[in-house]
Amino acid sequence: GIQVEQSPPDLILQEGANSTLRCNFSDSVNNLQWFHQNPWGQLINLFYIPSGTKQNGRLSATTVATERYSLLYISSSQTTDSGVYFCAVESGGSNYKLTFGKGTLLTVNP
Amino acid sequence: SAVISQKPSRDICQRGTSLTIQCQVDSQVTMMFWYRQQPGQSLTLIATANQGSEATYESGFVIDKFPISRPNLTFSTLTVSNMSPEDSSIYLCSANSGANVLTFGAGSRLTVL
Repeated sequence: GIQVEQSPPDLILQEGANSTLRCNFSDSVNNLQWFHQNPWGQLINLFYIPSGTKQNGRLSATTVATERYSLLYISSSQTTDSGVYFCAVESGGSNYKLTFGKGTLLTVNP
Repeated sequence: SAVISQKPSRDICQRGTSLTIQCQVDSQVTMMFWYRQQPGQSLTLIATANQGSEATYESGFVIDKFPISRPNLTFSTLTVSNMSPEDSSIYLCSANSGANVLTFGAGSRLTVL
């Protein structure tokens, strides 16, 4: 099956700093989503982005499908951004079944 | 997007018992998905629950251990049978809520003693 690798595995920031999280995948994808899992375990969808660039407030994401990677940018980080960020992909014909990467654990300190 | 309610939110269970997790969606959805997240790990798909047919299980998961029901387009249950401490995990229900976006319930955190 498709492989999803995320980097870095852990990241510690001071409030106000910017960061870039990366997701590499091993095959072409029909669907790529970024999720944030807060410290209480709730998963929130951030972006549906199989290609191109999107922005939502302080967050933006870019997927270069031809080179099989996606980037999540967090600007002016806040303590509430802490948690685990997951990249999840769906390869062709799998009917919306997502394969998750191992995630990036982000800690934003005040 | 759809709103998904799961219960119980957490439970502590004894070895050898079974627990059923319920998942309710506020709109009709074709497919629902059950994921497991072991402590400190990523999410792994257990099965896809389709209304009117048997669930489709991923490699490593079997119906006898994780029976699933899908009686209608807004509801599903996952049972974790004959539990052992290795089953201690967060179990998450999800659905495709339109525009190819997967929405998750808040999860059910199971601890097996």
